[in-house]
Amino acid sequence: EVQLVESGGGLVQPKGSLKLSCAASGFDFNSYGMSWVRQAPGKGLDLVADISSKSYNYATYYADSVKDRFTISRDDSQSMVYLQMDNLKTEDTALYYCTVRGTMGPFDYWGQGVMVTVSS
Amino acid sequence: DTVLTQSPALAVSPGERVTISCRASESVSTLMHWYQQKPGQQPKLLIYKASNLASGVPARFSGSGSGTDFTFTIDPVEADDIATYYCHQSWNSPTFGAGTKLELK
Repeated sequence: EVQLVESGGGLVQPKGSLKLSCAASGFDFNSYGMSWVRQAPGKGLDLVADISSKSYNYATYYADSVKDRFTISRDDSQSMVYLQMDNLKTEDTALYYCTVRGTMGPFDYWGQGVMVTVSS
Repeated sequence: DTVLTQSPALAVSPGERVTISCRASESVSTLMHWYQQKPGQQPKLLIYKASNLASGVPARFSGSGSGTDFTFTIDPVEADDIATYYCHQSWNSPTFGAGTKLELK
């Protein structure tokens, strides 16, 4: 059974930093791309960042809204994916989901999500 | 970015057939996927690459389309299907539709 467990969320002030973690199990982690998708309260879904597998040289993608502020990384030896979030803004407030990205793009599996609140 | 426009909220009765549309601002080939999100839960993949049923998903759900016009169908609708449905394209920089909220009549 695929499991994705996010952690590291919380309340942070504007311009602060936070690092999200996602522990993955139940599938061949090394072979899949991993993504972070967020959902602001009462709103829709937005892809934040994506990292490909080693086969694709760990290529990364960032939404324009987070470029130069967020960094996605992965540790294949631990089946972990991370999202370092710096210079946080109030508009980054959202539930952040860790997802497994399948071949050609669908998000096959989703974690339960971790809440990030940016407020003074 | 490719904009995905979904049909607005729909009201249905159990046993009916419902179709949700998703129109892309440019062609996305068949790289369109559909998710179901129930209140307080994470999204769940139902259809991938326009028309393929994800593992364990009932055959009541189906998808079709290519290029810019896509449809997602539930036939017949069950009470448990009340949720918000999102389309998502992965042809280029991934984007989601705004969601279609399915409600009971």
